[in-house]
Amino acid sequence: DTAVSQTPKYLVTQMGNDKSIKCEQNLGHDTMYWYKQDSKKFLKIMFSYNNKELIINETVPNRFSPKSPDKAHLNLHINSLELGDSAVYFCASTRSRSQETQYFGPGTRLLVL
Amino acid sequence: QQPVQSPQAVILREGEDAVINCSSSKALYSVHWYRQKHGEAPVFLMILLKGGEQKGHEKISASFNEKKQQSSLYLTASQLSYSGTYFCGTERASNTGKLIFGQGTTLQVKP
Repeated sequence: DTAVSQTPKYLVTQMGNDKSIKCEQNLGHDTMYWYKQDSKKFLKIMFSYNNKELIINETVPNRFSPKSPDKAHLNLHINSLELGDSAVYFCASTRSRSQETQYFGPGTRLLVL
Repeated sequence: QQPVQSPQAVILREGEDAVINCSSSKALYSVHWYRQKHGEAPVFLMILLKGGEQKGHEKISASFNEKKQQSSLYLTASQLSYSGTYFCGTERASNTGKLIFGQGTTLQVKP
């Protein structure tokens, strides 16, 4: 069984569209994260939820909205997609909030045309 | 705020050793090391905690100098499978889980 899974794996869409990425972890972890990795491989944290509570909210456009329906799921909705949103988005989870191994999902490769 | 890794890239022959450094200008609570192969997700290698505790991979070692806010990852007797991009992630405050990653060090091991 995959520990952290993401759907879709690839996403190609037009500027201005709205899209969602879903993440699920079956590790029983309390904390989940969204990261963005750009074309230069820079890996930057976007959001984190702990037991459905938003605990990290970095400076990202408000077109990005995370939602955690339960502690095993974390979704990312992006409105009005722009060219600069093209990147790989990784979901990750940890057992608790701090000093823990982060288990990454396989990534969602988003290309905005 | 982003930690600085050095070198940016290194090429080795199988069996050679390498050291990757990670330096921060801020006080750190922990340092994490991950390896990412092309087209794949980052994979955990090691956590170094303030106070000296380490958690991680048996075949990879690392150090954390709390006074200098520096960490080094030691790769000995490198194998082809060690190739990839290595990232350090620094955690500044406790109980947040917020990691700030360095820019990455690309390691290529040749036969």
